[in-house]
Amino acid sequence: DAGVTQSPTHLIKTRGQQVTLRCSPKSGHDTVSWYQQALGQGPQFIFQYYEEEERQRGNFPDRFSGHQFPNYSSELNVNALLLGDSALYLCASSLYETVINQPQHFGDGTRLSIL
Amino acid sequence: QQQVKQSPQSLIVQKGGISIINCAYENTAFDYFPWYQQFPGKGPALLIAIRPDVSEKKEGRFTISFNKSAKQFSLHIMDSQPGDSATYFCAAAPRGNYKLTFGKGTLLTVNP
Repeated sequence: DAGVTQSPTHLIKTRGQQVTLRCSPKSGHDTVSWYQQALGQGPQFIFQYYEEEERQRGNFPDRFSGHQFPNYSSELNVNALLLGDSALYLCASSLYETVINQPQHFGDGTRLSIL
Repeated sequence: QQQVKQSPQSLIVQKGGISIINCAYENTAFDYFPWYQQFPGKGPALLIAIRPDVSEKKEGRFTISFNKSAKQFSLHIMDSQPGDSATYFCAAAPRGNYKLTFGKGTLLTVNP
């Protein structure tokens, strides 16, 4: 039973560029959330997708956008990259109907470095 | 504004000892309190979680204690082992809400 998978594992970009990160949820899960984890900090919620729609959003600018596909996989897009966007980007999946228990399963993340 | 405050920032414990990590929250709408364990190069893994209708939950060597009136909760790791050495995060979320708010983490080192 595959867990949450993210690609790529590492990525180096320069300021002003755009980046797309990908996530496949755990088998049987239909909801994907994205988090940003800066070095030495806890993860911060970016947004959550269910039924191909953004359902919730954290305090992140519009440069951060996402998409969910019919097979429940998801992409995170970041435009006009800033040095401060350097972080580990985590994807978490869950089953929407179990929202009361809210067990979110995290992938190992994509390490994004901005030069 | 940090809504979940975690302490200590780092903790060193001898093998067999008890590790205790504390968290305090401000938002009274929080209804779900999980603890995550993260090893270097890996994503956070759910350890144990509690809802405010109980004061304590135990799973193996891991116990959450919850004090609703004080808005505090803590993780106790009994018989700590070197393999427990990792970063631990407390988190909180309102009922029916996917937005987890994390603490800043505690780096636990268990010496052999």
